Amino acid sequence: DIQMTQSPPSLSASVGDRVTITCRASQRIRSYLNWYQQKPGKAPNLLIYSASTLQSGVPSRFSGSGSGTDFTLTISSLQPEDFATYYCQQGYNTPYTFGQGTKLEIK
Amino acid sequence: QVQLVQSGAEVKKPGASVKVSCKASGYTFTIYDINWVRQATGQGLEWMAWMNPNRGNTGFAQKFQGRVTFTRNTSISTAYMELTSLRSEDTAVYYCARGLVGRGSGTYFADYWGQGTLVTVSS
Repeated sequence: DIQMTQSPPSLSASVGDRVTITCRASQRIRSYLNWYQQKPGKAPNLLIYSASTLQSGVPSRFSGSGSGTDFTLTISSLQPEDFATYYCQQGYNTPYTFGQGTKLEIK
Repeated sequence: QVQLVQSGAEVKKPGASVKVSCKASGYTFTIYDINWVRQATGQGLEWMAWMNPNRGNTGFAQKFQGRVTFTRNTSISTAYMELTSLRSEDTAVYYCARGLVGRGSGTYFADYWGQGTLVTVSS
């Protein structure tokens, strides 16, 4: 199975900050990487697929980059509604494993 | 609009089985996969399986082999996940999600999710 490792596990930031979350795959996965946002008590919400393609309806302050084994999710200017947990997922092969999550908290 | 509506919370004893349903609407059920993902309280997401509702074939994480069955009823656009020999570690919220390969991109992802079904295993 492909292991996905996210860093940091948690992050404190303020509204307006630029933040970056990283995700590393245990083997090369081309650009087959997805990002989800999850708020407490809610189902995950797809933000980005194919490493950098923004899902319809997702604000443009979210962006993704990377290929191979190293990927990043960037939020250019944090808004109050962005405080949540973020997960990466490899979409390369079964099982489609997730990273352990990065919890983004208000400083 | 696309919706996935799951069955309600369940409480089961160790060793029992549970069957969770996921009713799809707003799209053609047989065109997209159904994924199952679970999340223990306070923990991360754990991908379990995909199922093709058209052909009924599945792919799933090895740890669930032998304990999980995925079925569907295309006439009512509903997918089912049955987990047997339940143990306390199976206590989690179980999500279904619509799965697909991105057009022109090749990556597999889940774009719409059900609301989740809490399964509690307790004696």
